[in-house]
Amino acid sequence: GAGVSQSPSNKVTEKGKDVELRCDPISGHTALYWYRQRLGQGLEFLIYFQGNSAPDKSGLPSDRFSAERTGESVSTLTIQRTQQEDSAVYLCASSRGQGNTGELFFGEGSRLTVL
Amino acid sequence: GENVEQHPSTLSVQEGDSAVIKCTYSDSASNYFPWYKQELGKRPQLIIDIRSNVGEKKDQRIAVTLNKTAKHFSLHITETQPEDSAVYFCAATRYGQNFVFGPGTRLSVLP
Repeated sequence: GAGVSQSPSNKVTEKGKDVELRCDPISGHTALYWYRQRLGQGLEFLIYFQGNSAPDKSGLPSDRFSAERTGESVSTLTIQRTQQEDSAVYLCASSRGQGNTGELFFGEGSRLTVL
Repeated sequence: GENVEQHPSTLSVQEGDSAVIKCTYSDSASNYFPWYKQELGKRPQLIIDIRSNVGEKKDQRIAVTLNKTAKHFSLHITETQPEDSAVYFCAATRYGQNFVFGPGTRLSVLP
């Protein structure tokens, strides 16, 4: 597709369940980011992938959060044993990456509600 | 690492007036500074950007200025319209690595 694609767009889950969110970046974009945005709040950095380099995981809030990306393709963000405070919109973004300063393109986000 | 601060957190202006949002950054090696607009329930979208080799850039009613010495950059919106109402985020990055965003400014344009 032409843009960053995320799925699901909405996810309602019960506390304690695991969830998996998917991001399909723009083709050829080597950099991929996950951000969390709570209602009315800013963009909280979670994790950054750049090509085949080790990801920057410094923003992951706890060990319940993990993310994977194979090469320069799809990424999945997994939240284990979800808590109510995990409720937020999870935004994925991609760019051409290191050495290529340019626009960061966002997906529509995955809205997670933990009951 | 980079740290980006943004002020004000909220801003209300009368339609037709100008709005200015200011950001500061900490990493002198940052060389790309985009501004994103996020309308309610929508994704952030790029409205203007500036690179470190330029001091000012203008696109119709929107302009961005950069002061590398002071490490701050500003967004200027002239002749504001109701559709300018949104949350605006500044960001800084070094060579496309690890975009760091400011906390956002909620702009309300009052009719």
